Amino acid sequence: EEQLVESGGDLVQPGGSLRLSCAASGLNVGDNYMTWVRQAPGRGLEWVSVIFSAGNTYYADSVQGRFTISRDTSKNTLFLEMNNLRADDTAMYYCVKGFDPWGQGTLVIVSS
Amino acid sequence: DIQMAQSPSTLSASVGDRVTITCRASQSISSRLAWYQQKPGKAPKLLIYKASNLKSQVPSRFSGSGSGTEFTLTISSLQPDDFATYFCHQYSTYSWTFGQGTKVEIK
Repeated sequence: EEQLVESGGDLVQPGGSLRLSCAASGLNVGDNYMTWVRQAPGRGLEWVSVIFSAGNTYYADSVQGRFTISRDTSKNTLFLEMNNLRADDTAMYYCVKGFDPWGQGTLVIVSS
Repeated sequence: DIQMAQSPSTLSASVGDRVTITCRASQSISSRLAWYQQKPGKAPKLLIYKASNLKSQVPSRFSGSGSGTEFTLTISSLQPDDFATYFCHQYSTYSWTFGQGTKVEIK
């Protein structure tokens, strides 16, 4: 069974940094395009970033220059490095293989 | 970015009702559209991909149709477990976009 488990979410002050992890089982993160999607409380879904199997990466304009997506194929884990966090980055962050399955999410709260 | 206009935002219905949700894309996305169901506190669950393909183990009362810019999700006979929020999702470009969601409530 394919499964994704996110971790690393936390309460952080504006301007701070966090690294989210997404541990995969039953699938290889290096063989698939992997995506981060976020959902602010009570809001809709927003695409954040994608990494393709070839290694090319893309970002939403709202996070470009602040977030970095990466993967460690030896650990079969996807990452999202988030810097200079803002209040509007507050959201549940989901990792997704292709467009299914989704992990259960990890909550990031940016607040002083 | 491709914009997805989903309607209605809220839908009140009874068990057994036929329910239809619509998504319109701001430009053609061929059939690169998925539908998800989300319940409070849970991750979205894939129902339909490629506009009309039912994911394995999803009940057959769910169906999807459309191509280009107009798409629909239909629930043929609403069941108690179906009260949830539904999102459409275009994956025509790597810069995914989603509809704003339709909350299906008990009438």
